[in-house]
Amino acid sequence: NAGVMQNPRHLVRRRGQEARLRCSPMKGHSHVYWYRQLPEEGLKFMVYLQKENIIDESGMPKERFSAEFPKEGPSILRIQQVVRGDSAAYFCASSSQETQYFGPGTRLLVL
Amino acid sequence: DQQVKQNSPSLSVQEGRISILNCDYTNSMFDYFLWYKKYPAEGPTFLISISSIKDKNEDGRFTVFLNKSAKHLSLHIVPSQPGDSAVYFCAASVGGGSQGNLIFGKGTKLSVKP
Repeated sequence: NAGVMQNPRHLVRRRGQEARLRCSPMKGHSHVYWYRQLPEEGLKFMVYLQKENIIDESGMPKERFSAEFPKEGPSILRIQQVVRGDSAAYFCASSSQETQYFGPGTRLLVL
Repeated sequence: DQQVKQNSPSLSVQEGRISILNCDYTNSMFDYFLWYKKYPAEGPTFLISISSIKDKNEDGRFTVFLNKSAKHLSLHIVPSQPGDSAVYFCAASVGGGSQGNLIFGKGTKLSVKP
C-alpha cells in the first residue's frame, strides 16, 4: 500500500511565478491536510480538505494561496505570484481515522 | 503564542540508555496527542499517539506518558539506538487527529551515540 505521495519533491520558481504542489493521499483516505515548515520551525497547518470540500482553511494566507481536492485526481496547493518568503517545505498528510500520515514534502525555493 | 512547546532543542543519549523527550501544551481542549520522527529531507513519520482519556500508551521501545493536570507529555525510547537519531515533533489536536489541524512543537533533535 503506497504511502502519501507528493510531487515534485523540489521546485524552483522565480518571484512572480506560480507554484503548483500535488498530493495523492494514501489509498482509502479521504482527508487531506497541507502544512508548511519554515527553517528551524515546526510544521504549521494551512488547510484541511475532503473530496470537493474545503473543511478548514484557517491557516491559509488570505492572498495568493489556494487549495483543492477534486473528485478525481490529487490535491493541489497553488501559490500564485510567489515571493521569497514562500520558500519552505510543504507537507501533505492524509488520514482516515485518528492518525495523519505525511508525505515526503515538496521543497519550494523562490529565487 | 505557542500552544505546544518542546523546550529542549536537542538531546544527546548513549546507545542502550533511555531517551526522554518532553512536550508541554497550554490548550486544555487538546484531546489527542501524537509523536512524529523526522529525518532530514523526509516527511514526518508517525510514531505513537495517545488519547486524553489515557495516561500511558506503549508500542515496543516507545512509550508516551500524558499528565493532563500538568499539561505535559513525554516520549520514552528504551533502549535507544543510533537509528533513532532524528528530530522528534510533538503534536496535539482538538477532536481527534482526523478532525482538524495538528498543532506542532518546534521539535527536539535527538542524537544517539554508539
